[in-house]
Amino acid sequence: KAGVTQTPRYLIKTRGQQVTLSCSPISGHRSVSWYQQTPGQGLQFLFEYFSETQRNKGNFPGRFSGRQFSNSRSEMNVSTLELGDSALYLCASSLGTNSGELFFGEGSRLTVL
Amino acid sequence: GESVGLHLPTLSVQEGDNSIINCAYSNSASDYFIWYKQESGKGPQFIIDIRSNMDKRQGQRVTVLLNKTVKHLSLQIAATQPGDSAVYFCAEKNFNKFYFGSGTKLNVKP
Repeated sequence: KAGVTQTPRYLIKTRGQQVTLSCSPISGHRSVSWYQQTPGQGLQFLFEYFSETQRNKGNFPGRFSGRQFSNSRSEMNVSTLELGDSALYLCASSLGTNSGELFFGEGSRLTVL
Repeated sequence: GESVGLHLPTLSVQEGDNSIINCAYSNSASDYFIWYKQESGKGPQFIIDIRSNMDKRQGQRVTVLLNKTVKHLSLQIAATQPGDSAVYFCAEKNFNKFYFGSGTKLNVKP
């Protein structure tokens, strides 16, 4: 069974640009969550999508957005990039039920110059 | 927001010894807890979980203990091996949202 796949793995952008990251969850998983991880910080929750609807949202500015498609694949977008957006962005999928163990991808490492 | 913290940022143990990694959580309503291991350059991997109606759960070489009275979670790794070197995160789940601690780095000395 294939795991959670994130693309791209690495990318470099400059301030002011925008970026789109993609996540393909484990087959059969309907929930996709996104997290930001920076050095010295824990994982910061961005948002969760379940059946194409945003079910939960963390405390990030509106520059961070996401969506989920009918096949459960998800994308997140960050507009008007800032230096502080440099981070590892992790996607996690789960069945979405209350028993929800999260399965993480390897992450997309974004560097903003 | 939730507060999930760790008592020590770095833990060094000798190979073969037992390791204990601690975590404090803040919300007594949290009903599900997970320990994750993250190796350098990789995403977090599930180690073991526990529900709030339990106080102990054992896996292969790992045991999670939950003390709801003091809102404390611990991960015990028996016979620690070099491959156990990683950052370990605890997470609590509350109202369908996960809150993660900042992590403890485990160094296993040969």
